[in-house]
Amino acid sequence: DQQVKQNSPSLSVQEGRISILNCDYTNSMFDYFLWYKKYPAEGPTFLISISSIKDKNEDGRFTVFLNKSAKHLSLHIVPSQPGDSAVYFCAASAASNTGKLIFGQGTTLQVKP
Amino acid sequence: GAGVSQSPSNKVTEKGKDVELRCDPISGHTALYWYRQSLGQGLEFLIYFQGNSAPDKSGLPSDRFSAERTGGSVSTLTIQRTQQEDSAVYLCASRRQGALTGELFFGEGSRLTVL
Repeated sequence: DQQVKQNSPSLSVQEGRISILNCDYTNSMFDYFLWYKKYPAEGPTFLISISSIKDKNEDGRFTVFLNKSAKHLSLHIVPSQPGDSAVYFCAASAASNTGKLIFGQGTTLQVKP
Repeated sequence: GAGVSQSPSNKVTEKGKDVELRCDPISGHTALYWYRQSLGQGLEFLIYFQGNSAPDKSGLPSDRFSAERTGGSVSTLTIQRTQQEDSAVYLCASRRQGALTGELFFGEGSRLTVL
């Protein structure tokens, strides 16, 4: 049972344009959501997070949007840079099970110069 | 060390052999996690240790998998009688006490290949 889903395995955008990565979840108990970034041969690194009490969180070029009614979140990167090319994982957790983070399958982003 | 350290970085073994993967978390981090990433798949939760509490083993795929955390620091993930489907990158992560759930720091992983 895939509780966190990233339905787009890959995304290609032009440098300077916006990248939008999407994530859906099924467990209504999830109340904390995160995005991680992973380069080849490295471990994932934390990028940005959002609590369910908010619908938007912004950090520089990165913004995460949460739509609780649709059980959907998205990561916007603007402007996209070639160094943003990586695999992006969406993850979620529930306060009732603090610490256990459930990840999606990942989306490979390629930003073309 | 400065980050989460995992060893070995690469392990090739024959089907049926046992393997041990080691994780040294960031000093002072009380929570430790094991995940694995199979080819083309996402990060699959395996097990979670938090301080002296009983570990959350709900993600272990079979009884061939076990993990220990000695002295609240180093952890070893053991896979007995390895199968080809066990081939994956095994990732360890740690989190400091009091940190938000999401602030996991990952190691670079141990790539396991079962022939």
